[in-house]
Parts: sequence; structure tokens; C-alpha cells
Amino acid sequence: GAGVSQTPSNKVTEKGKYVELRCDPISGHTALYWYRQSLGQGPEFLIYFQGTGAADDSGLPNDRFFAVRPEGSVSTLKIQRTERGDSAVYLCASSLTGGNSPLHFGNGTRLTVT
Amino acid sequence: DQQVKQNSPSLSVQEGRISILNCDYTNSMFDYFLWYKKYPAEGPTFLISISSIKDKNEDGRFTVFLNKSAKHLSLHIVPSQPGDSAVYFCAAGDLYNFNKFYFGSGTKLNVKP
Repeated sequence: GAGVSQTPSNKVTEKGKYVELRCDPISGHTALYWYRQSLGQGPEFLIYFQGTGAADDSGLPNDRFFAVRPEGSVSTLKIQRTERGDSAVYLCASSLTGGNSPLHFGNGTRLTVT
Repeated sequence: DQQVKQNSPSLSVQEGRISILNCDYTNSMFDYFLWYKKYPAEGPTFLISISSIKDKNEDGRFTVFLNKSAKHLSLHIVPSQPGDSAVYFCAAGDLYNFNKFYFGSGTKLNVKP
């Protein structure tokens, strides 16, 4: 079946602009996660959704970052007033139930802020 | 402060031999551990996991060993194949918050034909 889909695969934006990154999880997966991976590092947790609600947003670095999942399926990560330090690969993952069920990752969106 | 560490950024192994990838963690609350494999331009793919109630879990050519007292886990690949060449990440989940996994920085494995 279809895996986790992320669009766009690449995004280049200017410092100060607003961007939206989209994630389409595996059908039927209730849990959805956003992670960020900087060069040479492992994925770093940003936010976790169970259904429509953000159950844990403790990894969001500041209030410029926001994510929604209005219908419990597709999620959008929104970054306002982008900074060069936001450049990274943003990974979305879903899992069947959350908890200790394995994460299934998408291919990521590579964000470059110039 | 990194709670999960992979101290070897790279490893090179001959095809057919054993690959051993190591991971250390600092948080004694971690109760669930996973290994992921990542090819370039793709997302990480789940490989194998282990709960802290076990010290070993095996799946085909892949075996994960957990030493709780040393806060150390390792992934053994036997026999190694060229297609195993990828970056391997270990990850750990907190006993009370499995929904936030902590990842190491990865080890790049190169299996030479």
C-alpha cells in the first residue's frame, strides 16, 4: 500500500517568508509525527498528533512553528518568518496507534532558507 | 544534551562478514529501542526493535542486543550484504512517553563486495 507522502520534496525560500509543508500519512494510522533532521544529525522530535489533537508539541523550537491535523489525516507544518537556521530535512511519520508501534517515515521535505 | 549516542560515524565491512553497530544511551527511563535504516534521499525505514524486558531480539540476518546495566545496545548484521550499505540510526523511547523517540546521529555502514 501507499506509504507516507510528503510534499514538496524540496522547498527553497527566502529568509522571512512563510512556508507550509504537507504530510499525508498511511491510511488508518491514527498517530502522526513531525521530526527535523539537520545535516549530520539524527531526526529530532517536533510534534506528535493522536487523531486531530496535538498530544505533544514540546519539540517545536519556538512560536514560529505550528502544525495542524484538522481531520485526523493530512497534517501541515507551518513555519513563519523563516530563518536560515530552519534549513533542514523535515520528516513526517505515522504509526498505527502511537505508543511503541514503529514509525513509518516519509521521504522528507528538504527546506532551504536563503 | 544528546541522550542517544552513536559514537562511530562510519563502519566499513567486507561482504559476508558481520557488521556490528553500537549505540549508547544515558536516560535510564528508556524502555523501548529501535533501529532504522536510511538510504540517501529517503526517509528512515524501521528495521528491528527491542523492549527492555528482553536482552535479544532476532529477525533474519538482524539481531539487536540490549545491555541495560551498561545502557548499551548493538545491531548485528550477519552476513552483511552490499545492499545493507546505508546509514543506521538507533532510537529510544521513554517509559512514560513512547510517543517521543530520541535518535542517535547515525552510523554510515559500507559493505564492500
